[in-house]
Amino acid sequence: AQKVTQAQTEISVVEKEDVTLDCVYETRDTTYYLFWYKQPPSGELVFLIRRNSFDEQNEISGRYSWNFQKSTSSFNFTITASQVVDSAVYFCALSDLKAAGNKLTFGGGTRVLVKP
Amino acid sequence: DTAVSQTPKYLVTQMGNDKSIKCEQNLGHDTMYWYKQDSKKFLKIMFSYNNKELIINETVPNRFSPKSPDKAHLNLHINSLELGDSAVYFCASSREYSDNSPLHFGNGTRLTVT
Repeated sequence: AQKVTQAQTEISVVEKEDVTLDCVYETRDTTYYLFWYKQPPSGELVFLIRRNSFDEQNEISGRYSWNFQKSTSSFNFTITASQVVDSAVYFCALSDLKAAGNKLTFGGGTRVLVKP
Repeated sequence: DTAVSQTPKYLVTQMGNDKSIKCEQNLGHDTMYWYKQDSKKFLKIMFSYNNKELIINETVPNRFSPKSPDKAHLNLHINSLELGDSAVYFCASSREYSDNSPLHFGNGTRLTVT
């Protein structure tokens, strides 16, 4: 069975600090996809990134960066120079390629609070 | 130009009632989903339809019945509502079900059963 663990339930930082969100996953598949989604206080779920299990290159998009390490089954997310607008709940998710349908298993989410 | 829209945004009802949540996507996607987010923010898939055909049906009580009249719509009907059904229900769509393309979510429907 697949599992995604986000051990940090809540992180509080002051604006301009960096914050790293941990994501550890479990799967027996050799091929899979990992995702990060953002849920701001307004409640919608916003897609941030998708990463294939064969692509271990780190990715940077503006102030966001992702560190994928297959050896430790981790897909961590860093927000550099955090801003108040980054306050949200962030979800890591794993896709099961063998299951029928595009089924995502979500972690429990990490709430990030950025204080001015 | 909302991509995935669901109505209503809020739904307050009493135990035992029957209610429906509607979802429409204008992205031209083939696959649509219903996810449930509980009070602890935990997200879990309920159903997935691909071009009107049921693909995923998780262990959801049969009081929940999805209906997909066409690939742009996936509605969720709930019979005999219970207190435990209180949650936020998210509709989502993706290009197709086999390519693991990202899901585009609606804004959610907060259901409160009293």
